[in-house]
Amino acid sequence: EAGVTQSPTHLIKTRGQQATLRCSPISGHTSVYWYQQALGLGLQFLLWYDEGEERNRGNFPPRFSGRQFPNYSSELNVNALELEDSALYLCASRSLAAIYNEQFFGPGTRLTVL
Amino acid sequence: QKEVEQDPGPLSVPEGAIVSLNCTYSNSAFQYFMWYRQYSRKGPELLMYTYSSGNKEDGRFTAQVDKSSKYISLFIRDSQPSDSATYLCAMTKTGANNLFFGTGTRLTVIP
Repeated sequence: EAGVTQSPTHLIKTRGQQATLRCSPISGHTSVYWYQQALGLGLQFLLWYDEGEERNRGNFPPRFSGRQFPNYSSELNVNALELEDSALYLCASRSLAAIYNEQFFGPGTRLTVL
Repeated sequence: QKEVEQDPGPLSVPEGAIVSLNCTYSNSAFQYFMWYRQYSRKGPELLMYTYSSGNKEDGRFTAQVDKSSKYISLFIRDSQPSDSATYLCAMTKTGANNLFFGTGTRLTVIP
């Protein structure tokens, strides 16, 4: 069974630009989560999508947005990039059958803002 | 105060040692607890998950939850160099869907 995939692996942008990150969940998983892992801060919850809808968002400004497509893949968009947006962005997926809300992560996209 | 606290380490142990990794939390609403392992430049990998207080064993790994003390632990027996990674605790509440993570403990097992 293929795991969660993310693209691109690395992304380098300059301040003020926009970044688009992509995620494909495990087959059969309908929920997709986005987390930011900045150095020394641990994983911070960004967004949760389920059945094409945004269900919850963390404490991040509106310039962090995204969507989920009919095939359950997802896209994270970060507008007006700031230097502090440099981080590893992780996507996770979850099955409807998950009992403990266990989530499975992709390898991440490392975003560098110059 | 962070909802989940975890000693960042780093922690270095000789091969074969027993490793103890710990997290504390402040919110008594947390009901589900997980441990993830993250190798350098990789995504977190789910190691173990548990619900109730008590112990859960899986091979060389034992997860322990003490809800009365708001304290969870992961024990690694007969540690191997391949166990060298960052270990993240995570937890969630009933009705919530996002996970709350500790900052991770970096472990190095020296051959």
